[in-house]
This record gives sequence, structure tokens and C-alpha cells, in this order.
Amino acid sequence: GESVGLHLPTLSVQEGDNSIINCAYSNSASDYFIWYKQESGKGPQFIIDIRSNMDKRQGQRVTVLLNKTVKHLSLQIAATQPGDSAVYFCAENRVGYNTDKLIFGTGTRLQVFP
Amino acid sequence: NAGVTQTPKFRILKIGQSMTLQCAQDMNHNYMYWYRQDPGMGLKLIYYSVGAGITDKGEVPNGYNVSRSTTEDFPLRLELAAPSQTSVYFCASSYSVSGLASYEQYFGPGTRLTVT
Repeated sequence: GESVGLHLPTLSVQEGDNSIINCAYSNSASDYFIWYKQESGKGPQFIIDIRSNMDKRQGQRVTVLLNKTVKHLSLQIAATQPGDSAVYFCAENRVGYNTDKLIFGTGTRLQVFP
Repeated sequence: NAGVTQTPKFRILKIGQSMTLQCAQDMNHNYMYWYRQDPGMGLKLIYYSVGAGITDKGEVPNGYNVSRSTTEDFPLRLELAAPSQTSVYFCASSYSVSGLASYEQYFGPGTRLTVT
């Protein structure tokens, strides 16, 4: 079936290094993608989004890359900090009349060590 | 703005009991959603609403009911609690226009429910 998934369940990086979290999606009709960060005991928090007419979008220390050819999404975090430790979810938006819904991937846990 | 609020934060139910999880948002968002998150897993959509008086099923609606009498409130009802409903429940809201890609969803802090 259609799904949004992640390649790595856990990613450990050293403080100051760059982190790359990957996500694969299977529905070529999806036109909107979002990355969420979820800290322990909290709800997901929006990080950055990208529409399918773009292949790159940058925020503060974060960059999302979209490769529609291979249906791949990635989140790059520059100079990773301890506060970046969390679970990161990608989600795809399947747009339809009155049926806007997000389909979430399983999540990747990012661990930052000193 | 308080954003999306949920009550209670924690609840323990016995099998067969019922309860209502409350969700409210003060951002005048038209769309509201209920998700459940099992340990180590992503979020699964239970029900959603595109506006007051309109609700629809998500991926995992069995055992739940919702209503949307106002724009602000979107309660989730569990009628006969089962151990399989042990999970963390998140409510979310967004502003969306039909036919266009949705804006981001804002999430509440969650309700941790245990059914024993």
C-alpha cells in the first residue's frame, strides 16, 4: 500500500556535526511534505515544509531536499545541538477536496552526544 | 493564543469504561484532527473534521466517535475502552482551503491513556 517511511530508526551524531534524516514516500500524487520534531512527552512541532514544485527549501539551520524522481525527502540539520535530540517525522499531504490529511512516517530518533 | 489544548493529560481506564478526550483550539482553524501514537510508532489518523458539523473517518476509527458542534471544539469519545486503545492521543488543527495544499498542523500536548 501507499506509505511514507524512513530509512534509519536511530541516528547518533556528535554535537556540532551535520545531521541528515531521510524519508521515502510512495505516492507520486502528494504535493506537500512536512518535517515535524517531537520531543519526549510533547506533541509534534512543525520544523519546515516543502511543496512539490520545489526541490530545496532552507530554514534556520535546517534544509529540506525533495527528489521527486526517486520519491525521497531529507532533512539536514546544520551544527547539530543537544536541543535537537528528538524524534523526527516526515509527513506527506495527500490533497483532495475536503480530505486534506497528513500521512506520517514511523519516525527517526536523533541522538546528539557531546 | 493558547493554541491547541487537550484535557486530561493522563487517564487510566478499566476495560469497558467510557470517556471523552477534550480538544479545543483558539486559532479559528477550520480543520481539526485526532491521532493516536503507539510507543515507538508514528501517528495514525483516527478522525478528522473539515468544519463544524462535518466529520470523517481516518485510518483507525474503530472504537471511537467524534463530534464537531463548534469551530473551537473537537471531542473524541471512547465508548467501551479496550487495552488496544492504550496510546497517546494527539489533537491537531490547521487552516486549509479545499483544493489547495494544507497549511501546517498545530498539535496539542497529548493525552496519555492506559486501559487495564
